[in-house]
Amino acid sequence: EAGVTQFPSHSVIEKGQTVTLRCDPISGHDNLYWYRRVMGKEIKFLLHFVKESKQDESGMPNNRFLAERTGGTYSTLKVQPAELEDSGVYFCASSLTGLAVYEQYFGPGTRLTVT
Amino acid sequence: AQSVSQHNHHVILSEAASLELGCNYSYGGTVNLFWYVQYPGQHLQLLLKYFSGDPLVKGIKGFEAEFIKSKFSFNLRKPSVQWSDTAEYFCAVGGSQGNLIFGKGTKLSVKP
Repeated sequence: EAGVTQFPSHSVIEKGQTVTLRCDPISGHDNLYWYRRVMGKEIKFLLHFVKESKQDESGMPNNRFLAERTGGTYSTLKVQPAELEDSGVYFCASSLTGLAVYEQYFGPGTRLTVT
Repeated sequence: AQSVSQHNHHVILSEAASLELGCNYSYGGTVNLFWYVQYPGQHLQLLLKYFSGDPLVKGIKGFEAEFIKSKFSFNLRKPSVQWSDTAEYFCAVGGSQGNLIFGKGTKLSVKP
C-alpha cells in the first residue's frame, strides 16, 4: 500500500512569490489534514478535509493560504504571496473515519524556505 | 484551548537505560491521547494510543504509556532503550474535529 506522498520535498522561494504544495493521501482515506512545523515549535494543525469539503480550517494562519482538495483525492496548499514567517515544514496526513480519524498517516513533509 | 506540554527538549541515554518522557495536557474532559515518533529520515508514525479503558497502554517496539487522569499526564516509558530508538517523540491530544494537537517534541539520542 502506498503511503502519503508530498511534493516537492523542498522548496526555496523569495518573499512575495507563490508556492503550491501537493499531497496525495492514502487511497480510500476520506480525511486529509495539513500541519506545519516552524523551527523549534510544535507541529500545528492548519486544516482538515473530509473528502472534498473543508471540515475545519481554524488553523490557517491568514488568507494568504489557500487549500483545495480536488474530487476528494489529492490536495494542494498554496501560499500567495509568501512571507518569511511561512518558512517551515508542511506535513500532510490522512486517515480513515470513526476513532481511526486520529490514527493519521503522515507524509514526509515539504520543507519551505522563504528568503 | 487544548494544549500539550512535553518537558524535555533533548534526552540523551546510553543503551539499556530506562526511558520516561513526560507529557501533560490541558483539557479536563474526555481525552484521546497519542504518542507519535519520527525516526531519522522517516515519516511521523503512530507509536501508541489511548481512547479509554486500561490506563496502561502498550505500543510498538516495547513502548508503553500510562494515562493518569488526576495528573493530566500521559508519560511514555520503555524499560531498556536501544540505539534504534533514537528519534523525535511527540505527544498529542485528539481535537474535537479530528485534528491532533501536538507537544513540541522530545529528541531522544541513544548512545551505543
